[in-house]
Amino acid sequence: DAGVTQSPTHLIKTRGQQVTLRCSPKSGHDTVSWYQQALGQGPQFIFQYYEEEERQRGNFPDRFSGHQFPNYSSELNVNALLLGDSALYLCASTLYRGPGTDTQYFGPGTRLTVL
Amino acid sequence: GENVEQHPSTLSVQEGDSAVIKCTYSDSASNYFPWYKQELGKRPQLIIDIRSNVGEKKDQRIAVTLNKTAKHFSLHITETQPEDSAVYFCAAHISGSARQLTFGSGTQLTVLP
Repeated sequence: DAGVTQSPTHLIKTRGQQVTLRCSPKSGHDTVSWYQQALGQGPQFIFQYYEEEERQRGNFPDRFSGHQFPNYSSELNVNALLLGDSALYLCASTLYRGPGTDTQYFGPGTRLTVL
Repeated sequence: GENVEQHPSTLSVQEGDSAVIKCTYSDSASNYFPWYKQELGKRPQLIIDIRSNVGEKKDQRIAVTLNKTAKHFSLHITETQPEDSAVYFCAAHISGSARQLTFGSGTQLTVLP
């Protein structure tokens, strides 16, 4: 049973560039959430995708966008990178089928460094 | 929106002692409270969770308690071991909705041998 996977593991970009991060959900899961974890802080919700649509969004600017594919995998895109975008980006997946089935499982994350 | 506060930010205990981490939440609609353990450079891993229809849940050396009236929940680790050393995060969620997990700021637990 494959867990949540993310690629790449590490990424170094310069200010103003654009980046795409990828996530494959746990087998059987159909909902993907993205979180940003700055050093020494808890994960902050970016957005969630279900049925190829953004279902909910946290307090992040429009520079952050995403996509979900028919196979439930997802991408996170960040445009016009800022130094403050340096963080660990985590993907979490779940298969929601009613109360009690919404446990989120996290991937290993992508460490983004913006210089 | 939901706000989760977590205390303490750092906690050092002697091996074999107990550790307690406390969280409070603001949204009374929250009804699902997971705890995650994150070792350095690794993904957050779910260690235990509790739903608002129960007051306590235990899994071996780990237990979680929930006080809905006071809107706080706690993680208890007994007989701590060096491998328990990690950052622990609490989170709150409204089950049955599309809303996100809201995390606390984390507790760095160090178990001294």
